[in-house]
Amino acid sequence: QSVLTQPPSASGTPGQRVTISCSGSSSNIGSNTVNWYQQLPGTAPKLLIYNYNQRPSGVPDRFSGSKSGTSASLAISGLQSEDEADYYCATWDDSLNGWVFGGGTKLTVL
Amino acid sequence: QVQLQQWGAGLLKPSETLSLTCAVYGGSFSNYYWSWIRQPPGKGLEWIGEINHSGSTNYNPSLKSRVTISVDTSKNQFSLKLSSVTAADTAVYYCARGVYCSGGSCYQTFVPFFAYWGQGTLVTVSS
Repeated sequence: QSVLTQPPSASGTPGQRVTISCSGSSSNIGSNTVNWYQQLPGTAPKLLIYNYNQRPSGVPDRFSGSKSGTSASLAISGLQSEDEADYYCATWDDSLNGWVFGGGTKLTVL
Repeated sequence: QVQLQQWGAGLLKPSETLSLTCAVYGGSFSNYYWSWIRQPPGKGLEWIGEINHSGSTNYNPSLKSRVTISVDTSKNQFSLKLSSVTAADTAVYYCARGVYCSGGSCYQTFVPFFAYWGQGTLVTVSS
């Protein structure tokens, strides 16, 4: 069981907007920043969003992040086939004194 | 540009010790924590532990009794040892650059953690 809870799957059709949630607690999301990672099959995770809603250079503005209380969300607008991947949230946990990941969400573009 | 290159044995027998090393090229080595993260086949990411240039470590409590992470600042390298492996330790192991630290404080926000990753090493534990 992951400390951060994500839905195991999500789906959408091209052009749609999808949202992936990441639920935590006061010791992690509630008090530390959240990053999101995209992992394509057979590759290392890639940083997608950092500090809740900042995009590294090269990441399309179709990707956005937000935080509310002890939950964070990743939104993908204008869904494209190449967005089909696994998505993970991550943050620091003050109680565990370590980094924690969500269980991952597999996004399918129908 | 920052690059992480990792290597180590890919096939182990139960009870043996896993050993991996990650070399860092480019950027500052001393201003970051450096992490090991693993991913069992078909499963999610699990943080194993981290170290900084002075040897300060943090470990995942669930693995702490079997994990040792060390650093060689002369080569900008850090290493992972995981003892008494079982089939449950079969996974792709990644090294990654962690949180930025300066002046005794660490900052999660303006320099993203886990922005750079190694290529991954599949470690299989089988008799």
